[in-house]
Amino acid sequence: QVQVVESGGGVVQPGRSLRLSCAASGFSFNNYAMHWVRQAPGEGLEWVTVIWYDGSNKYYADSVKGRFTISRDNSKNTLYLQMNSLGAEDTAVYYCARSLARWNYYYSMDVWGQGTTVTVSS
Amino acid sequence: QSALTQPASVSGSPGQSITISCTGTSSDVGGYNYVSWYQQHPGKAPKLMIYEVSYRPSGVSDRFSGSKSGNTASLTISRLQAEDEADYYCSSYTGTTTLGFGGGTKLTVL
Repeated sequence: QVQVVESGGGVVQPGRSLRLSCAASGFSFNNYAMHWVRQAPGEGLEWVTVIWYDGSNKYYADSVKGRFTISRDNSKNTLYLQMNSLGAEDTAVYYCARSLARWNYYYSMDVWGQGTTVTVSS
Repeated sequence: QSALTQPASVSGSPGQSITISCTGTSSDVGGYNYVSWYQQHPGKAPKLMIYEVSYRPSGVSDRFSGSKSGNTASLTISRLQAEDEADYYCSSYTGTTTLGFGGGTKLTVL
């Protein structure tokens, strides 16, 4: 079935780095833009970043620009999020999500993973 | 980044209808028909309920409908059921390549 599964979360000290992965299956991964969305404990959803189906464009929320990098390996059906200079404000559940439609469409997300938890703490 | 405003909470009784608003600006909600609505039950991943203001993905009940007037989008749930109790988030394209979410609305079914 169509699914995405995140991994790579954990506890990390402030200022350190972490890389999240998202394994996709059941659909043509290389046809869809992919997103990362996060949710801090007890808070709402925050869109983080998106990468186009071919990796040619990447957009970021201001809160992570310059610190986070999204990438994808279409040969491995895997999405990544490299997070550097982590701070307490980055503590959240990180969701990987697929765009609703193919190619350059990225305005809605219809397939979500269960999330991976990142805790930034000393 | 976009800051979409939603009421913190709404409530209704089974069988009734409720509406959740999502207010933005002419640069996001009012400027594009790229408003989405997501449902999230506690401890679960979000689920897409409405996209492009008023379209329902396959499998979403027709009790859910969306609309927009000016800078405010709305999600209406008719014939409320206990299972509708959840958090609801709106989202919009911001016109600057990014997306933004509203703060979320907790729906309580009385």
